[in-house]
Amino acid sequence: GENVEQHPSTLSVQEGDSAVIKCTYSDSASNYFPWYKQELGKGPQLIIDIRSNVGEKKDQRIAVTLNKTAKHFSLHITETQPEDSAVYFCAALQGAQKLVFGQGTRLTINP
Amino acid sequence: GAVVSQHPSWVICKSGTSVKIECRSLDFQATTMFWYRQFPKQSLMLMATSNEGSKATYEQGVEKDKFLINHASLTLSTLTVTSAHPEDSSFYICSVTGPRKGDEQFFGPGTRLTVL
Repeated sequence: GENVEQHPSTLSVQEGDSAVIKCTYSDSASNYFPWYKQELGKGPQLIIDIRSNVGEKKDQRIAVTLNKTAKHFSLHITETQPEDSAVYFCAALQGAQKLVFGQGTRLTINP
Repeated sequence: GAVVSQHPSWVICKSGTSVKIECRSLDFQATTMFWYRQFPKQSLMLMATSNEGSKATYEQGVEKDKFLINHASLTLSTLTVTSAHPEDSSFYICSVTGPRKGDEQFFGPGTRLTVL
């Protein structure tokens, strides 16, 4: 089955700087890769996703890149703000519907 | 995206009792709903997948007789934790998706279960 590894587990950046979180996956058949933001005590919120037919997708300050050959994908947050502080999870779709999640990254934005 | 609600948002119960958690898709016909469990500072672990009108499919290691799932309509699924014990204390989260492969999953706000 699919295995997703996420790094780093914690990340601290200065407000205004960029943050990058990386994930690798094992199943070359996976073709959908969402990223979720989870605030304390809340459910995960989909922030961006990418399908395997594209290499990059951007939505304002957030971008995701996908390297199918290397089987890794990354989340890039630019011009970070305090409200970006949260736990971020990457995931890969296994089969038709099952999402396999990474271990999560706790992002802290320092003012 | 879809709006998903869960009820209750938190519950405290005594060991040995049963607890029912509801997951509702408010504006989306959810052909499939998922139940996840999340322990503190850990990732989400899929417990089971349920399709409307069918029996749920449980992940390996999840006891189907302990975690009863009912998906009676396209907008409602329930998870019942039977004979709850302290080790069942966790954050339970549902998600919904549509019928197409690779459809986005939208998550509910979660239910915090504490078993005393």
